[in-house]
Amino acid sequence: AQSVTQLDSHVSVSEGTPVLLRCNYSSSYSPSLFWYVQHPNKGLQLLLKYTSAATLVKGINGFEAEFKKSETSFHLTKPSAHMSDAAEYFCVVRPSGYSTLTFGKGTMLLVSP
Amino acid sequence: ETGVTQSPTHLIKTRGQQVTLRCSSQSGHNTVSWYQQALGQGPQFIFQYYREEENGRGNFPPRFSGLQFPNYSSELNVNALELDDSALYLCASSAAGTGVYSPLHFGNGTRLTVT
Repeated sequence: AQSVTQLDSHVSVSEGTPVLLRCNYSSSYSPSLFWYVQHPNKGLQLLLKYTSAATLVKGINGFEAEFKKSETSFHLTKPSAHMSDAAEYFCVVRPSGYSTLTFGKGTMLLVSP
Repeated sequence: ETGVTQSPTHLIKTRGQQVTLRCSSQSGHNTVSWYQQALGQGPQFIFQYYREEENGRGNFPPRFSGLQFPNYSSELNVNALELDDSALYLCASSAAGTGVYSPLHFGNGTRLTVT
């Protein structure tokens, strides 16, 4: 069975400061990992994905994530937050050979001026 | 390229009623999956359809059922609605069968309120 734990329900940062959203996972099989973003009243948009290639993954809008197998972590970072980054972020795991996704409970990112 | 579209955007139903939600998949995608997102929670997998057959199901009761049509569009039907069915229902499409994983593309969802 697979599961995802997002360690913070809310993260508050000031515009221009770094962002760190933490995610730990467990999976019985070699997983693929994703981060999705959801803006208010919108669907989910894929930020980035890890599928067993490079462990440092670059995504859209300046976000990146590092897969650390020894720590079973896949934390999302961005060097400098922008007001438009305010949204809910979901860490997602997909076991190898399966197409369905298991989502974490989400982290709400708040960005203040 | 047309994205995933869902209808209606909002819906209010009474407990015990039945509801049908609709989804048009992205052009070129043959697989549709449905997720339920309760308030303050991450989406939970309901089921997936590939070539008009259900080929995966999450932990949801049989009163949640679906269809996929030859044009790959899909319906989610929920019978005997309960208050806890109030949620955002998300449809996602992908292109399976290519040998390479195709990421899911999500629609904006249908907000269902059961009173």
